[in-house]
Amino acid sequence: AQSVAQPEDQVNVAEGNPLTVKCTYSVSGNPYLFWYVQYPNRGLQFLLKYITGDNLVKGSYGFEAEFNKSQTSFHLKKPSALVSDSALYFCAVRDDGSSASKIIFGSGTRLSIRP
Amino acid sequence: DAGVIQSPRHEVTEMGQEVTLRCKPISGHNSLFWYRQTMMRGLELLIYFNNNVPIDDSGMPEDRFSAKMPNASFSTLKIQPSEPRDSAVYFCASTGLPRGLAGKETQYFGPGTRLLVL
Repeated sequence: AQSVAQPEDQVNVAEGNPLTVKCTYSVSGNPYLFWYVQYPNRGLQFLLKYITGDNLVKGSYGFEAEFNKSQTSFHLKKPSALVSDSALYFCAVRDDGSSASKIIFGSGTRLSIRP
Repeated sequence: DAGVIQSPRHEVTEMGQEVTLRCKPISGHNSLFWYRQTMMRGLELLIYFNNNVPIDDSGMPEDRFSAKMPNASFSTLKIQPSEPRDSAVYFCASTGLPRGLAGKETQYFGPGTRLLVL
């Protein structure tokens, strides 16, 4: 069975500093990995995904994520944080060996960027 | 494209009443998902459909919840009777295979329905 873990409920970063939001996963086949962001009172918005290819994936709003197969991780990163990046971030995984279409979401990490 | 459309955006009802939430997926998408989000439990998958057929409803909390997808452009989630603990934000999401990229899917979420059961 597939699963995903976000070990941090909250991450606090000063504006202009680099940020990392952690995610680890477990699948039986090859993973499809996703990051979503949720702003207050809004639905989840797709940020980026890894299917295959380069381990460093670039997405929206300057975010990127690094796929690490040996550590089964897919951490979200940004070189310089903005106050407007403050939101709830979800990591998600789908097992490509599964015939099911469903994606499993992590519990979410609240990112807070202070001016 | 208008994206995933959900209605109503807000619903306030009294305990025991029937509640119906509606979703229109993105045109051409063949999978539809219903989620519930609360502070206590986070984001929970309730049920999902492939080609209008329910595939996995193991997340539906109890018999009071039911979902239908009569055609590719419409789905409903019904709660009857509603209870205060059903208060949450309910999201609908859809996916579809991009042309030439079989197996590569991204879920697109609607804005959600905020339900309050008094």
